[in-house]
Amino acid sequence: GAGVSQTPSNKVTEKGKYVELRCDPISGHTALYWYRQSLGQGPEFLIYFQGTGAADDSGLPNDRFFAVRPEGSVSTLKIQRTERGDSAVYLCASSPTSGDYNEQFFGPGTRLTVL
Amino acid sequence: AQTVTQSQPEMSVQEAETVTLSCTYDTSESNYYLFWYKQPPSRQMILVIRQEAYKQQNATENRFSVNFQKAAKSFSLKISDSQLGDTAMYFCASPRAGGGADGLTFGKGTHLIIQP
Repeated sequence: GAGVSQTPSNKVTEKGKYVELRCDPISGHTALYWYRQSLGQGPEFLIYFQGTGAADDSGLPNDRFFAVRPEGSVSTLKIQRTERGDSAVYLCASSPTSGDYNEQFFGPGTRLTVL
Repeated sequence: AQTVTQSQPEMSVQEAETVTLSCTYDTSESNYYLFWYKQPPSRQMILVIRQEAYKQQNATENRFSVNFQKAAKSFSLKISDSQLGDTAMYFCASPRAGGGADGLTFGKGTHLIIQP
């Protein structure tokens, strides 16, 4: 079946602009995660959804970052007033249910470049 | 905060050799899972192997196996008969936190290069 997809694969924007990054999880997966991967680093947790609600958004770096999952499937990560330091690969993952034991299935990521 | 440490930024071995990637972690949980993920140049993270901390037996998946030392909080990955397709970044991951929190904490990764 189809895996996790993310669009766009690459996004170049100017400092101060607003961007939206989209994640389509595997059908039926209730848990959805966003991570940010800076160059030379491992992924860092941003936010986790269980169904439609954000169960834990403690990894969001500041209030310029926001994510939604209104129907419990597709999720959008929104970044306002982008800064050069936001440049990174944004990874989305989904899992059949929540829980530390579950394998997370990752998408290919969106590479965001802020000029 | 949970931490995961991978002390080898890069490793290079010849095809068909065996290689071991090291990982140490910090957790206050009594039961948890640990993971090794592979990230090829395509960026897509793929689960390589998973270990439950309660299990004494080390996990094995074909050419991949782990050496899990719970007391030492060590979780190394052994790749036998390495192949060119094993060239990738490898990340060790542990649960982000206990108490029902979800998500993973990743190490900085080891870049593994398999030479022909």
